[in-house]
Amino acid sequence: EIVLTQSPATLSLSPGERATLSCRASQSVSSYLAWYQQKPDQAPRLLIYDASNRATGIPARFSGSGFGTDFTLTISSLEPEDFAVYFCQQRSNWPLTFGGGTKVEIK
Amino acid sequence: EVQLVESGGGLVQPGRSLRLSCTASGFTFGDYAMSWVRQAPGKGLEWVSFIRSKPYGGTTEYAASVKVRFTISRDDSKSIAYLQMNSLKTEDTAVYYCTRHKKFSSSWYNYFDYWGQGTLVTVSS
Repeated sequence: EIVLTQSPATLSLSPGERATLSCRASQSVSSYLAWYQQKPDQAPRLLIYDASNRATGIPARFSGSGFGTDFTLTISSLEPEDFAVYFCQQRSNWPLTFGGGTKVEIK
Repeated sequence: EVQLVESGGGLVQPGRSLRLSCTASGFTFGDYAMSWVRQAPGKGLEWVSFIRSKPYGGTTEYAASVKVRFTISRDDSKSIAYLQMNSLKTEDTAVYYCTRHKKFSSSWYNYFDYWGQGTLVTVSS
C-alpha cells in the first residue's frame, strides 16, 4: 500500500498570504495525485488531479506541482473561504489511499 | 445538476449487518465507476470500495480492512449503488460517502469528482 504523508499537519496563515502544502508518497506515483479540500461538516471537493490539473470551477489561485514522490499544493493568496483541511490522494496503485490531511487555519 | 444521496446509515451492534444506498441523479449513472469512501469521526479519509461500470465488467475492488465483509453493487436501471456491510466492527464507525469517479474519455480516473453528503454508521453495543 502506498502511504501518503502530508506536512505540516497545521498551517497558520493570514488571509492574503501564500500557502504551501506538501504530500510525500512512500513510492513513486508518477503524476497520479489529486488534492481535495474539506470544510467542516461538508464533503470533500476535488481541487487538483494528476498533480497539476485544476478541476472544473476551481479558482486559479490553487495550483499543484510535483512528480514521483514529492508533491505541492499552493494557494497563491488565501481567501477567507480557503481555510479548511486539505487531503492528497493517489491513484497509481490499489488500494487508493489518502494522506492524513493538512489543516489551514487563520492565524 | 449531479446529485448523490446516501441513505441507510444508523446505529448497529457489532457483528450485525447494514446496507447503504446511494441514489444518483443528474448524469448517466451507468457510464460511471463509483466508490465508497469513509471518514471516522475527527479522522482522515479512507477509500473503501469501488465498482466499474458495466461496459468494463462491473468488477470491484476493496480495501483490505473490509474485504470479505463488505460488498459493493449497482443497479443501473435505478441509478443506485449499494454497500452491503456484514460482520460490522466498532472500527467501521464513520461517515460513508458515495463518490463518482471523474470521467476520462469513455473511461475514468480513479479520483472522485462528486461526493454525496454522507451517511453516518455507528457500530456500538
